Amino acid sequence: EPEVTQTPSHQVTQMGQEVILRCVPISNHLYFYWYRQILGQKVEFLVSFYNNEISEKSEIFDDQFSVERPDGSNFTLKIRSTKLEDSAMYFCASSGQAKNTGELFFGEGSRLTVL
Amino acid sequence: AQSVAQPEDQVNVAEGNPLTVKCTYSVSGNPYLFWYVQYPNRGLQFLLKYITGDNLVKGSYGFEAEFNKSQTSFHLKKPSALVSDSALYFCAVRDGSSGDKLTFGTGTRLAVRP
Repeated sequence: EPEVTQTPSHQVTQMGQEVILRCVPISNHLYFYWYRQILGQKVEFLVSFYNNEISEKSEIFDDQFSVERPDGSNFTLKIRSTKLEDSAMYFCASSGQAKNTGELFFGEGSRLTVL
Repeated sequence: AQSVAQPEDQVNVAEGNPLTVKCTYSVSGNPYLFWYVQYPNRGLQFLLKYITGDNLVKGSYGFEAEFNKSQTSFHLKKPSALVSDSALYFCAVRDGSSGDKLTFGTGTRLAVRP
């Protein structure tokens, strides 16, 4: 069964360092998302991406965050200068159906620890 | 703005008994509603969704949910719980009239005792 894959599974970084989290969405999907979850609690929306541009973003997704689909298969989330409060599990998701009706398929997540 | 409320942090049920995990929502346009399950250290797995049509929707692993427009609710149910159903359950809503953002509730931990 097709699945969303994420790397790395766990990354530890120093505050102020740049981090890139990578995702390979399901191959025929067109809509891509990043969410984060802090301490196994609420799942927070960060950004949605369609047709090579951001569709929607939350207040969390400030100038320190960026997303890219560099080669038609990968979908990356970059945090330019990490803060302690960026420590979380980051989930990538993709959807193949019409924009609003499709369910999201999530990856297993990338745990980011900022020291 | 759209939001989801899951009023119970935890639901405890005995194996074989019916279970209900509650969810209410708020959205300006048409509600598109989803349930996801998360096992420890795993991603979120889709269970079921309501977009339109029959208010009772059936999903994976024997789960079902009933859309109630007047009560703005979308409770998750299962007639007979299994110990393996123990997990964290998230309700989510999307405004069908605009945007593709899926907003999640805070989650309800289901504990099924043998």
